[in-house]
Amino acid sequence: GDSVTQMEGPVTLSEEAFLTINCTYTATGYPSLFWYVQYPGEGLQLLLKATKADDKGSNKGFEATYRKETTSFHLEKGSVQVSDSAVYFCALSPINAGGTSYGKLTFGQGTILTVHP
Amino acid sequence: DTAVSQTPKYLVTQMGNDKSIKCEQNLGHDTMYWYKQDSKKFLKIMFSYNNKELIINETVPNRFSPKSPDKAHLNLHINSLELGDSAVYFCASSQDPRTRWGSSYNEQFFGPGTRLTVL
Repeated sequence: GDSVTQMEGPVTLSEEAFLTINCTYTATGYPSLFWYVQYPGEGLQLLLKATKADDKGSNKGFEATYRKETTSFHLEKGSVQVSDSAVYFCALSPINAGGTSYGKLTFGQGTILTVHP
Repeated sequence: DTAVSQTPKYLVTQMGNDKSIKCEQNLGHDTMYWYKQDSKKFLKIMFSYNNKELIINETVPNRFSPKSPDKAHLNLHINSLELGDSAVYFCASSQDPRTRWGSSYNEQFFGPGTRLTVL
């Protein structure tokens, strides 16, 4: 079945440090890939997405590139801020041959990021 | 003007009780979901409804019964609560993912969550 594996956390960084959170996936076909963020006490918000190979999703200084050859979708940010402290989830939605899905998101285990001033 | 709202935010109850969690969305979406997040933050889909029709039903005990009175509401009823049901339950909504439009822009909007504690 489909699965998503994220790097083990928690991750602790100083402000302005470079961030990478690794994400690899296993899926048949051509899934869409997502990064969601969960701030303390809140629900999940979509951070960025990519729907086909070599697509780069970006938002709020975060980027991730859909790499089909390595089945990866690593999240990066050049300079993190204290306000980026949250839990980050990598997720996939399988797309069938007709280009549609049932919207079933499969999530990775989440990576807790803490940024210190 | 909350997009996806859930009530209650916190629910503490005894084992064996029956409880419901309500979810409403005002985004005009026709697909809604329930997810369970365990104590280790792992998220797993439970159900999905499109226009009151069940389209995803994962392996969930039949003590859990979703009810969709209309496409803007998806409630979760849980019978005979057990300790292992303690978790945060998230509701979400999206465009119909079965359409080309929905699958390409399959952003799911999440509610703030309901923390259920079974004692």
